[in-house]
Amino acid sequence: RKEVEQDPGPFNVPEGATVAFNCTYSNSASQSFFWYRQDCRKEPKLLMSVYSSGNEDGRFTAQLNRASQYISLLIRDSKLSDSATYLCVVRHKGNTPLVFGKGTRLSVIA
Amino acid sequence: ETGVTQSPTHLIKTRGQQVTLRCSSQSGHNTVSWYQQALGQGPQFIFQYYREEENGRGNFPPRFSGLQFPNYSSELNVNALELDDSALYLCASSRLGESDQPQHFGDGTRLSIL
Repeated sequence: RKEVEQDPGPFNVPEGATVAFNCTYSNSASQSFFWYRQDCRKEPKLLMSVYSSGNEDGRFTAQLNRASQYISLLIRDSKLSDSATYLCVVRHKGNTPLVFGKGTRLSVIA
Repeated sequence: ETGVTQSPTHLIKTRGQQVTLRCSSQSGHNTVSWYQQALGQGPQFIFQYYREEENGRGNFPPRFSGLQFPNYSSELNVNALELDDSALYLCASSRLGESDQPQHFGDGTRLSIL
């Protein structure tokens, strides 16, 4: 079993739709959580960190449920430019390496 | 701009050859981490360097080796290249002790093995 599991998709949604991605992680010692966005043939870029209290950045909302070891990302009012792969990422304690899921592919269609 | 630069951008090699990839870390960062991202997969941790020494390693064979220099830049060396080594190689720099900070990647080096 992979340490970080994501539905690979693809999710094909119309412009303006709301879409949610889910992610589960197996290591209860994980302490930091992130969503990264990766465009085709480019490097991953940090979208947002994820906090236990939940956090929002414009159209993007991230939630963390430590008890269920579950992370989510909600995108409201989808734009064509949101089309990308979204990577769920966890980190254990200290300056340990990032552990990535395989990513969820999103295509926003006009 | 993350301040992390990698070279070359693209590289084509044949099986059995050796390759060196380079990474310059962001100013003020003393730790460099390398990741391999195969097609359709998430990045996988190769190793991390701090103070010119390996400071953690993922599940990669010894033919993957590295160096860190006094200016904190780093090299990734891969010997006896195999077809499965074809991937995007990513470098990220950070400052040891800032454990809650996310890592920011360079543009990556796309390595193709023929």
